[in-house]
Amino acid sequence: EIVLTQSPDFQSVTPKEKVTITCRASQSIGSSLHWYQQKPDQSPKLLVKYVSQSSSGVPSRFSGSGSGTDFTLTINSLEAEDAATYYCHQSSSLPYTFGGGSKVEIK
Amino acid sequence: QLQLQESGPGLVKPSETLSLTCTVSGGSISSNSYYWGWIRQPPGKGLEWIGSIYYRGSTNYNPSLNSRVTVSIDTSKNQFSLRLNSVTAADTAVYYCAHHVQQVDYWGQGTLVTVSS
Repeated sequence: EIVLTQSPDFQSVTPKEKVTITCRASQSIGSSLHWYQQKPDQSPKLLVKYVSQSSSGVPSRFSGSGSGTDFTLTINSLEAEDAATYYCHQSSSLPYTFGGGSKVEIK
Repeated sequence: QLQLQESGPGLVKPSETLSLTCTVSGGSISSNSYYWGWIRQPPGKGLEWIGSIYYRGSTNYNPSLNSRVTVSIDTSKNQFSLRLNSVTAADTAVYYCAHHVQQVDYWGQGTLVTVSS
């Protein structure tokens, strides 16, 4: 099973600041890495697929990068509505796995 | 726009079977090249993939649950279902049904299932 390790677990950030979340895979997963945003009491929402492809309707301040085992989700100029927990997900091999989540709080 | 809706009991007794159904609207469950899956999230915790079924009926399950889980599809009703046997308190979670190729494009709203006597 591929383990995805996210960091940090939690960060408190001022609006307009830049946020970086990392996801490290226990083995190479190529580009089969996706990012989701989950707000309290809501289902997760796809933000980025295949490392860097933005999902339809997602604001341009969200972007993804990386390859192999190390991946990054960046939120440029954080907005209040971005308060959420963010998860990475690998579909390179079964069983599909998710990272433990990274919570972003607005200061 | 595809919509998924979970339904089923919110309370299941220990050792019994958890059964949930996902009704798909806004599209056909028989669409090519798509998977229909179940993902769960224990209260306050992260996401765990349970298993998925291809539109033609082949299945894949998480080995951690493999011996207890069955996912099936009913194309005539545009539904797919989850059965999880011999549940314990550790199976208490919000259960999401999902549509995916590799990334999960669509999620149901989720349904909380509590395992308790």
